[in-house]
Formats: sequence, C-alpha cells, structure tokens
Amino acid sequence: DAGVTQSPTHLIKTRGQQVTLRCSPKSGHDTVSWYQQALGQGPQFIFQYYEEEERQRGNFPDRFSGHQFPNYSSELNVNALLLGDSALYLCASSWDWNPYEQYFGPGTRLTVT
Amino acid sequence: AQSVTQPDIHITVSEGASLELRCNYSYGATPYLFWYVQSPGQGLQLLLKYFSGDTLVQGIKGFEAEFKRSQSSFNLRKPSVHWSDAAEYFCAVLGGATNKLIFGTGTLLAVQP
Repeated sequence: DAGVTQSPTHLIKTRGQQVTLRCSPKSGHDTVSWYQQALGQGPQFIFQYYEEEERQRGNFPDRFSGHQFPNYSSELNVNALLLGDSALYLCASSWDWNPYEQYFGPGTRLTVT
Repeated sequence: AQSVTQPDIHITVSEGASLELRCNYSYGATPYLFWYVQSPGQGLQLLLKYFSGDTLVQGIKGFEAEFKRSQSSFNLRKPSVHWSDAAEYFCAVLGGATNKLIFGTGTLLAVQP
C-alpha cells in the first residue's frame, strides 16, 4: 500500500515564475492538505481539499491555489514566485471522517532564485 | 488563538540517556495533540497522539508523552535514546472546528555517541 507521494522532489524556479506541485494521497484517503515549511520553522497550513473543493484556507495569499481531482490527487500552484516562497511543501492526506490521522508525504523542496 | 510552543530549539543528549522534549499549547477546549518526527529529507512521521482518556500515551519507537491540562503541556519522553533518534521533533494541535494541524517550531535533537 503506497503512502502519500509527491512530485517533484526538488524544484528550482526564478522569481516571477509559476510552479505546480503534485500529491497523490494514501490509498483510500479523500482529503488532502498542503503545508509550507520554511527553513527552521514548523509546517504552516496552506489549504485543504475535499470533494474537489477548497474547504479551508490558512493565511496565504491568492497566489497560492490548488485543485483536487476525482481520484483525490491534488495540485498546489503558486504564481508570481517570490524568494520567500522557497520552502519544503508538504502534502498530507486523511479520511474526511477521521482527520486525526494525517499521513504526510516526503515533500517537495522549492528553491526560488 | 490556538498555538503551540516548543521552548527548546536544539537539544543534545548522549546515547542511552533519557530524553524529554517540551511542548506547551494554547487552546480553549480539550485539545487533540500530536508529536511528529522529521528526519533529514523525509516527511513527517506520526509518533503518537492524544485525544482523551489516559493522559500518558504510548507511541512508536519507544516514545511516550504525558498530557497535563493544568500546565497546558504535552511533553515527549524516551527513557533511553538511540543514535537513530537524531531528528527534528514537532508538537502539533488539531484545530477544533477545522482539520488543520498547528505546529510548533520544532526541536532538533542531536545524539552524542
């Protein structure tokens, strides 16, 4: 049973560019959450998707957007990249009926130059 | 607002010594509390969780944590540390009406031979 997978592993982008990160949830999970972990910090909640809709959002600008597909996989898009967007982006999946068991993927390391 | 504080940024212990990592939370109702571990280049792995009941909870890898409501604390302990325990440890609380995890800034554990 595959756990949460994320792609790509690493990514280097230039300021102003756009980036798309991908997440496949653990088998059977229907809810995907995205977190940003800056260097030396704990993960910060970006948003959560359930039934292909954004259900809740953290304190992140509209440059951060997402999508969830019918197979529950998800994408995180960031537009107009800033240097401060450099971070590890983590995806977590869970069942809607059991949010207490969130399984994390290995993350995507984004570097903005 | 809900928050988590991990007062110790960095801790060094000798292999075989006991370990206690501190975590304080701010939350109005009964909190759902978690400890995660993150090894370099890895995602977050759940060590243990507390929802209710017995205030001493057992987790994986020989870790345990004690919930103390009077002190708003949820400290992580291990009686004998192994070199493989070197990693970063995050305490988190689950938002009540939401399913987002709120993390502390983490404690980096180094283990001396």
